[in-house]
Amino acid sequence: QPVLTQPPSSSASPGESARLTCTLPSDINVGSYNIYWYQQKPGSPPRYLLYYYSDSDKGQGSGVPSRFSGSKDASANTGILLISGLQSEDEADYYCMIWPSNAQLVFGGGTKLTVL
Amino acid sequence: QVQLVESGGGLVKPGGSLRLSCAASGFTFSDYYMSWIRQAPGKGLEWVSYISSSGSTIYYADSVKGRFTISRDNAKNSLYLQMNSLRAEDTAVYYCARVDSGSYTLDYWGQGTLVTVSS
Repeated sequence: QPVLTQPPSSSASPGESARLTCTLPSDINVGSYNIYWYQQKPGSPPRYLLYYYSDSDKGQGSGVPSRFSGSKDASANTGILLISGLQSEDEADYYCMIWPSNAQLVFGGGTKLTVL
Repeated sequence: QVQLVESGGGLVKPGGSLRLSCAASGFTFSDYYMSWIRQAPGKGLEWVSYISSSGSTIYYADSVKGRFTISRDNAKNSLYLQMNSLRAEDTAVYYCARVDSGSYTLDYWGQGTLVTVSS
């Protein structure tokens, strides 16, 4: 089962941008997969934020502000969630996910984002 | 609006069984794949299983294969997870989620039900 690597924690100040990463194992090419992102606040279920495949193939969850966006860094085999104009309410855990095959679904370990 | 409501969680002894249910409303249940995901206390998300809209295609995580069985009743708009031979490491909040048919994201989640496996 592939492992998606996310930094355990990240922090940024209100109004700044936060860049959260999700690194795929070397045998899985990030360019070939949708990267999905979820936000989870304490005591609540995860909330779907967005998915990103390419600039022409991406989607935003219902009601998710446009300051949440996705991208990829092919050189680092990494999916990226960018949150611009950080707000205190963005403090949460963020998980990435892929479908490496139609037989399984994999989550990253999650990143705890602190808004300083 | 889309609603998913899990039930059936509780305290069970190691080796015991439990059946979780997920009642769906606000959408045409029979059109969608569904999935179970769990989260151990203080830990991350772990995919458990998914089932196709008709129930003909089913997959499990290796950690539960042979012990858990996913099923659905489209007439009752319900998803189920039969959990047998439970272990302490199965202790978690279990969420059901809808799989979007276009993007294959898990676009709606229930509030979850807690399963505790302990003697």
